[in-house]
Amino acid sequence: SAVISQKPSRDICQRGTSLTIQCQVDSQVTMMFWYRQQPGQSLTLIATANQGSEATYESGFVIDKFPISRPNLTFSTLTVSNMSPEDSSIYLCSGGQGAGETQYFGPGTRLLVL
Amino acid sequence: AQSVTQPDIHITVSEGASLELRCNYSYGATPYLFWYVQSPGQGLQLLLKYFSGDTLVQGIKGFEAEFKRSQSSFNLRKPSVHWSDAAEYFCAVGVHYGGATNKLIFGTGTLLAVQP
Repeated sequence: SAVISQKPSRDICQRGTSLTIQCQVDSQVTMMFWYRQQPGQSLTLIATANQGSEATYESGFVIDKFPISRPNLTFSTLTVSNMSPEDSSIYLCSGGQGAGETQYFGPGTRLLVL
Repeated sequence: AQSVTQPDIHITVSEGASLELRCNYSYGATPYLFWYVQSPGQGLQLLLKYFSGDTLVQGIKGFEAEFKRSQSSFNLRKPSVHWSDAAEYFCAVGVHYGGATNKLIFGTGTLLAVQP
């Protein structure tokens, strides 16, 4: 299984600022994904991070708000731009590996926007 | 459209009692099915997965799940619950998404409380 780390683990940010979250995988994975988990809710897929090309966004999420990079097979970043209190969530990164592309998750980044 | 339903938002069981968490899915093709657990303040840990073959799959921490195609279900079970099993449990279906990739559709989760 892949081991995934995220930085920062948590942050408190001011409205209107941006935060970049880093995701590092300890082995090569085919696909990387970013999810949002709003307070008390389930996980919603934001986008698929594609190596060397633009990310693929799910309905309701746009690149201007959530720019994503994936420069290589083991690293990706998600930026939450121009934040508002509604962006307060846990943001999780996952990597797909092995049969059926089983996804392994990072510990999450807990974001509070004031 | 693909979806996952976990009918029970919150379940309380006594320590040592058996547990069954329900999961129903809607997906047109053969599903890849997963159960994840999220402890307070933690990320998601994979408990078990079903791709094909034996419909009863074993996972970590003494959990098992049974795939029933006729009922579109993938219920999670444990014969004897421990206090450390208190957590939130998510069922997910892997939706085929080009090549070998599956993106996950999650259920709303079931919060398990364990009474001493």
